[in-house]
Amino acid sequence: GAGVSQTPSNKVTEKGKYVELRCDPISGHTALYWYRQSLGQGPEFLIYFQGTGAADDSGLPNDRFFAVRPEGSVSTLKIQRTERGDSAVYLCASSAFGTPYNEQFFGPGTRLTVL
Amino acid sequence: AQTVTQSQPEMSVQEAETVTLSCTYDTSESDYYLFWYKQPPSRQMILVIRQEAYKQQNATENRFSVNFQKAAKSFSLKISDSQLGDAAMYFCAYPDTGRRALTFGSGTRLQVQP
Repeated sequence: GAGVSQTPSNKVTEKGKYVELRCDPISGHTALYWYRQSLGQGPEFLIYFQGTGAADDSGLPNDRFFAVRPEGSVSTLKIQRTERGDSAVYLCASSAFGTPYNEQFFGPGTRLTVL
Repeated sequence: AQTVTQSQPEMSVQEAETVTLSCTYDTSESDYYLFWYKQPPSRQMILVIRQEAYKQQNATENRFSVNFQKAAKSFSLKISDSQLGDAAMYFCAYPDTGRRALTFGSGTRLQVQP
């Protein structure tokens, strides 16, 4: 089937605005991850879902960031009151079981630019 | 916390030649996996190869192989017969068993010269 998809591919917003980034995982994958990748860096963990619940949100930088996965499939990363420092590529990944040893399949990411 | 270090920000190789990308990591665990991911300009991360720490034998996937030195906590990627399509960012990654997520190195940009 299809791989992980993310929309939009690019998002430009103004400082202080609210944005939503969407991730469609591979069908049947129970685990879903969000990462943030700043320019010239490796991805950094934000949050991990197992099914509908956030099993680990310790990577979220502050309370402006929030993510949901209400039906255990599609996930939305929400950023309130965006700041210029939030500019990055936001990557989503899914895996079949969520153990540390399963391959994570990544989407193409959403490039967020905050002006 | 686990750390992953890639000390080569950029590497260059001639087409058809061999190149080795370095990675070191820090962990107190005895059984774990290590991964190399490739990220082309399209941004989509693609798994290149995976190594199980308890296996003595180095993993191999076609032109890609690893040199895994468990005692030294070193996990290098060797690309043989380099092709233009191998040009990309390469990331070494370690799965954090506590956080259930990957910890990535800072990456190595590989250029392939025709």
